[in-house]
Amino acid sequence: QSVLTQPPSASGTPGQTVSLSCSGSNSNIGSNAVNWYQQLPGTAPRLLIYANNQRPSGVPDRFSGSKSGTSASLAISGLQSEDEANYYCAAWDDSLNASVVFGGGTKVTVL
Amino acid sequence: QVQLRESGPGLVKPSQTLSLTCSVSDASVSSGGYYWGWVRQHPGKGLEWIGYMYNIDSGSTYYNPSLKSRVTISGDASENQISLKLTSVTAADTAVYYCARSEGYCLGGNCQTWFDAWGQGTLVTVSS
Repeated sequence: QSVLTQPPSASGTPGQTVSLSCSGSNSNIGSNAVNWYQQLPGTAPRLLIYANNQRPSGVPDRFSGSKSGTSASLAISGLQSEDEANYYCAAWDDSLNASVVFGGGTKVTVL
Repeated sequence: QVQLRESGPGLVKPSQTLSLTCSVSDASVSSGGYYWGWVRQHPGKGLEWIGYMYNIDSGSTYYNPSLKSRVTISGDASENQISLKLTSVTAADTAVYYCARSEGYCLGGNCQTWFDAWGQGTLVTVSS
């Protein structure tokens, strides 16, 4: 059971906008920044969004992040076939067992 | 562009110690500004943070509390490597282990970091 909750799957057709959610609590998303990672099949994760809404160089502006309260979202606009991957959110958790925590991941399928 | 490459045994017997090395290119594990550590992924599952260390000279390490009693992350400046040791392994430790660099900062036990570079990962199977 992951500390951050993500829906297991999402889908869309090419060109559509897909929004992925990540739900947490006051001890993690509510008080710390959220990061997002993309993992293409058979590859290592790749940083997609850091500090809630910042894109590293090289990440297309089709990807955007936001945070409100204890939830965060990743939007993928102009969905492309190469966006088919698993997406993970992550944040620091300030609880008694302080650590980096991840969501269980959302598998995005491009129909 | 920093590169990280994991190496080590792909098979470890139960109760033994898992030892992995991460060789770093085009960045120094001794310089400040980054945290160097490990993330693992159980087969078909999500990601789990193991821990990281600030530059070798600082000696500052941060571990996942669920693994803290069994984990040691250390570095070798001369080889520009970091290493992971996980003791008393069981089948539950079978996973792909990723070496990763983090940007950001830790202050007073709170870390605002993100993994900006990853190795390709290495599968470690715990089995007799």
